[in-house]
Amino acid sequence: DIQMTQSPSSLSASVGDRVTITCRASQGIASWLAWYQQKPEKAPKSLIYAASSLQDGVPSRFSGSGSGTDFTLTISSLQPEDFATYYCQQYDSYPLTFGQGTRLEIK
Amino acid sequence: QLQLQESGPGLVKPWETLSLTCSVSGGSISSSDHYWGWVRQPPGKGLEWIGSIYYSGNTYYDPSLKSRVTISVDTSQNHFSLKLSSVTAADTAVYYCARLVRGAEKKTYFDYWGQGTLVTVSS
Repeated sequence: DIQMTQSPSSLSASVGDRVTITCRASQGIASWLAWYQQKPEKAPKSLIYAASSLQDGVPSRFSGSGSGTDFTLTISSLQPEDFATYYCQQYDSYPLTFGQGTRLEIK
Repeated sequence: QLQLQESGPGLVKPWETLSLTCSVSGGSISSSDHYWGWVRQPPGKGLEWIGSIYYSGNTYYDPSLKSRVTISVDTSQNHFSLKLSSVTAADTAVYYCARLVRGAEKKTYFDYWGQGTLVTVSS
């Protein structure tokens, strides 16, 4: 199985900050990586696929980059609604696996 | 707008079978461009993929659950189902159904999610 490791596990930031979350795969996955946002008691929301392609309706302040084993999710200017937990997920091979999540909190 | 809705018992006894159905509206489960899947989230923990199914019935399962899981699809009812046998307290979780896009090189990623349903395993 491909292990996905996110860092940091939690992060405090302020509205307007630029934030970057890192995801590392235990082996190369090309660009087969997705990012999801989850708010408390809510279903995940799909943000990015193919490492850098935004899902329809996702604000342009979200961006993704990387290939191979190292990936990043960047939020260019944090908005109040962005405080949530973020997960990366590889879909290069089965079983599909998620990172452990990064909790983004208000400073 | 595609919508997915999970349904099924919220309480299952240990060693019995958990059964959930995901009803799909606003789109066809027979789409050649999509898979359909189940993901669960134990309380306070992260997301765990359970398995995925194509409208033809082709399935993929997480190896750790494969001996206990069956995912099936009913194209006439536009829904798909999850059965997890011999459940224990460790199977207590919110269960989400979701759609996966069958993209380049037939790689699949999630795009739409149901709201989730909490299933508690307890006597």
